[in-house]
Amino acid sequence: DAKTTQPNSMESNEEEPVHLPCNHSTISGTDYIHWYRQLPSQGPEYVIHGLTSNVNNRMASLAIAEDRKSSTLILHRATLRDAAVYYCILRPNNNDMRFGAGTRLTVKP
Amino acid sequence: DAGVTQSPTHLIKTRGQQVTLRCSPISGHKSVSWYQQVLGQGPQFIFQYYEKEERGRGNFPDRFSARQFPNYSSELNVNALLLGDSALYLCASSLALNKLFFGSGTQLSVL
Repeated sequence: DAKTTQPNSMESNEEEPVHLPCNHSTISGTDYIHWYRQLPSQGPEYVIHGLTSNVNNRMASLAIAEDRKSSTLILHRATLRDAAVYYCILRPNNNDMRFGAGTRLTVKP
Repeated sequence: DAGVTQSPTHLIKTRGQQVTLRCSPISGHKSVSWYQQVLGQGPQFIFQYYEKEERGRGNFPDRFSARQFPNYSSELNVNALLLGDSALYLCASSLALNKLFFGSGTQLSVL
């Protein structure tokens, strides 16, 4: 399985943008890049996904490098409710989702 | 609309016992996946079912089994429980095989 590498933790100030990086140097052409987040005491929640082009939705933006070996999840204005563990996952076609350890985001008021 | 529901929310068992966890997917969703999450780690994939057929299996021993019913609900069974099976068990459903919607999980404690 293609692997992802994320920092263990990151901190952000409230109301500021947050850039969460993910390296996936062994990505294959059919791997979709998915991001989920897990708030305390909850199951993971879908954030965004993409294949080659940058993607935007109401929650976040996903910037994908031209060679697809890395991607960045962008939260445009962090709020306290964005404090969570963020998982970057490579998903071949629509097969099963395999999570890594993720990045724990702390948002300071 | 109701989200993914899992039962029970908490469960305490002793070593060697068997446990059955249940999951009801979002209405209209035909795929169910099961994950195990040990404290401090990301969820680990156990099984995926689509249209009542097993579509994927993670690296778990044969003590773990699952099935999906005609109404698309699912059960996860774990036999001969070990202390290391203590974890949060998450169920996720999806329309076809795309975006996953997770339940809040069943917290299993094995004593």
